[in-house]
Order: sequence, then structure tokens, then C-alpha cells
Amino acid sequence: QQQVKQSPQSLIVQKGGISIINCAYENTAFDYFPWYQQFPGKGPALLIAIRPDVSEKKEGRFTISFNKSAKQFSLHIMDSQPGDSATYFCAASAGRGQNFVFGPGTRLSVLP
Amino acid sequence: NAGVTQTPKFRILKIGQSMTLQCTQDMNHNYMYWYRQDPGMGLKLIYYSVGAGITDKGEVPNGYNVSRSTTEDFPLRLELAAPSQTSVYFCASSFGGAEDEQYFGPGTRLTVT
Repeated sequence: QQQVKQSPQSLIVQKGGISIINCAYENTAFDYFPWYQQFPGKGPALLIAIRPDVSEKKEGRFTISFNKSAKQFSLHIMDSQPGDSATYFCAASAGRGQNFVFGPGTRLSVLP
Repeated sequence: NAGVTQTPKFRILKIGQSMTLQCTQDMNHNYMYWYRQDPGMGLKLIYYSVGAGITDKGEVPNGYNVSRSTTEDFPLRLELAAPSQTSVYFCASSFGGAEDEQYFGPGTRLTVT
């Protein structure tokens, strides 16, 4: 129940296309959902995060969509660029003081 | 600010050897974390600390030990290294707990042969 499932494992998108990564969870106590971006040889870095009181959050080309009833959330990258090529991790936590549970990651490659 | 620094960047250990992975942060963060990252498995929490003198186990603590004598430093000790500990290790810190952004170090790639 502590698991966060993530798909696809890898994704190849043409430059200018839309990249979509999906995550699902079981624990209804989760109430904070960040996405982390990791470039090769680097540590992960926070990209964008959402709470379940909103269905969508947008920051530039990155959008999180959240479906509370389905216990699913997704990351959409509009106008994908080669510089977006990285591994993306979704995560979840059940309130302040609780630790994150990370998904297994999605390796995104954006072709020029 | 240097952020979160980790040493060494790479290390090869023989089975049964011990070593300490160093982690230092200069952001005066209260919380610090150690994760391991295995291919296709995401990040697994090994140990974490909510402040100097306080540590607690995460999801995969077996074979590891930590200490937190200062706010800045959070070393991870591997005793009797095993091949199963071959992984990339990341240290992270945050001001508060979950819901505060975690800042990650560059990682240590450890191979146990």
C-alpha cells in the first residue's frame, strides 16, 4: 500500500511533442505529490508538486494532472525539448513529517 | 552555497570491507536522508535524521549505520560490504520533512566485488 507505480519505464518523444508519464497509488493518506527530474550523473531535483485539493498545476511547459478518485496523477511535458531528456520520478508522502515514497522512474529521451 | 556535497564519487570495495560515505550540507537544513538507487527501482530510503543526535530507519536499513553529530554532517557507514550493496547512494537534505523540497547531492557510485 506504500507503493507508487509509474509508467512507462522509458519513453521516446520527438522534439515538440507531448511527453506523458503516469503514476498511481493505493494509500489514500498520501496528500502531497512531487515530481523529481534527474539528469545523468546528477542527483534528482524537484520539478513540480501538487496537493490533492487541485486537479491540475502548471509551471511553464510542465503540468501535473491529478485524479483523486482514481488515485492517479500524471506529468505532461508540452513542446518537449532535447534538454528535457532525463529520468523522471513521481513521489508521494502522507503529510508533514512523513517520508517520500518514490516511483521507479521513467527515462525520457527527446529526439532532435 | 555548495548545497549538498558527497564524497567519494566512486568507490570499489571488496566483500567484507567497510567504508563511510560522507555527506555535508551548508543550508542549515534540519532533515537529512540517505537513499540508494538501483536500476529500475527508484529511490529507496535507507536512514534519515530530523536533527542533530536523532536518526531513524527508512525502508532498507540493513547493513548500514548512520550518525548525526552536527547539523551539517550525516555520514553513512557500510559494515561488511556485500554485493547486494552495489548501488548509487544519494544524500539529501530539507528544511522540514516531507512537503519541503529535498536537495540531493551528486551521488556516490559504489561497487562491491
